[in-house]
Amino acid sequence: AQTVTQSQPEMSVQEAETVTLSCTYDTSENNYYLFWYKQPPSRQMILVIRQEAYKQQNATENRFSVNFQKAAKSFSLKISDSQLGDTAMYFCAFMENTGNQFYFGTGTSLTVIP
Amino acid sequence: SQTIHQWPATLVQPVGSPLSLECTVEGTSNPNLYWYRQAAGRGLQLLFYSVGIGQISSEVPQNLSASRPQDRQFILSSKKLLLSDSGFYLCAWRSRGLLEAFFGQGTRLTVV
Repeated sequence: AQTVTQSQPEMSVQEAETVTLSCTYDTSENNYYLFWYKQPPSRQMILVIRQEAYKQQNATENRFSVNFQKAAKSFSLKISDSQLGDTAMYFCAFMENTGNQFYFGTGTSLTVIP
Repeated sequence: SQTIHQWPATLVQPVGSPLSLECTVEGTSNPNLYWYRQAAGRGLQLLFYSVGIGQISSEVPQNLSASRPQDRQFILSSKKLLLSDSGFYLCAWRSRGLLEAFFGQGTRLTVV
């Protein structure tokens, strides 16, 4: 099984500030996909952003962007202009090329402080 | 549009009792289906995945089993629940044409 590691169990950020969540993964594959999912208190999993490993350009979705370092096997999420609604558990996820297996990290609980 | 239904939302079961959690997907065909367990401090642990009817792959040895009797139906079962089976169980699906996985609302299982 692939390994996805999130070393920050909890983080907090002031509203309107920027925060970066870390994720590292372990794989021997060259082609794969990476994701960040958000789980608010409702427990519904919501896709935040995704990155294809063959793409060098970092993905961006509005206030959310990633720093994908393929050689270092690192995939961090940057949230700019943090909002109260960003308070949630954030999971980093890895999907191998065939798309059959989808692995998640242990999550980072983010609290946005007003 | 595609939707996923997972039930029940909450369940309290005694130790040693059987378990059956059901997940169905609408609006897509031949999806990949997944069962995850979310325990405190352990993130989402992939339990089973299925790429087709009757095809089940197990990721971790455990007290649980999964079945896919129909294309869009995925069932998580146990013959005898253990206290350690308590947790939040999530079903997910992914279409071959899409990258992301979509999740159900989850089932909170408490074994007492």
